[in-house]
Amino acid sequence: DQQVKQNSPSLSVQEGRISILNCDYTNSMFDYFLWYKKYPAEGPTFLISISSIKDKNEDGRFTVFLNKSAKHLSLHIVPSQPGDSAVYFCAASATLRGFNKFYFGSGTKLNVKP
Amino acid sequence: DVKVTQSSRYLVKRTGEKVFLECVQDMDHENMFWYRQDPGLGLRLIYFSYDVKMKEKGDIPEGYSVSREKKERFSLILESASTNQTSMYLCASSLPRTGSTDTQYFGPGTRLTVL
Repeated sequence: DQQVKQNSPSLSVQEGRISILNCDYTNSMFDYFLWYKKYPAEGPTFLISISSIKDKNEDGRFTVFLNKSAKHLSLHIVPSQPGDSAVYFCAASATLRGFNKFYFGSGTKLNVKP
Repeated sequence: DVKVTQSSRYLVKRTGEKVFLECVQDMDHENMFWYRQDPGLGLRLIYFSYDVKMKEKGDIPEGYSVSREKKERFSLILESASTNQTSMYLCASSLPRTGSTDTQYFGPGTRLTVL
């Protein structure tokens, strides 16, 4: 059973507009959340993260929002650029016997149209 | 900059062969991980290791084993490859949890095809 879910397999957005990628989780033990970006034929690269003690973290055009009561997080990209076209993975982390273990969603493929 | 390298980008093997996938990281990270990525399923954890000679099963360990003889190297072994192990294999490393820097660094992946 997937503990981290990304229910939208794909998203298409016009250049300059906002992209919103969503992620839901089920395990209340998760205390750290991350977004990764993956281009074809490359490994995922870290994009932005948020601790469970916060509800928002911003880094340039990227903002992650966390709603713990709803067990939901989202990634906002403003403004979207064609170079943002990639697969985005949501991940959640929990400490297991003193070390961190990560759980990933299935990914959302973002296409930003020029 | 953290660098995680994987021995092969593409591999083609036959059913029943023993397959070794190698991963090396250069940042002295304690934790190392092996995932497989399949369409619609995302990244699924096969095995991880938090120290030399230590290993823990992930969510889908069946048909796989691992070896960590040195801190920088983590090997994934398919004892007898099967067609359902055709996948993209990703290695990652991370430091122990330090609060604000809890992230993994990934290698470029190995695309394995089992015929």
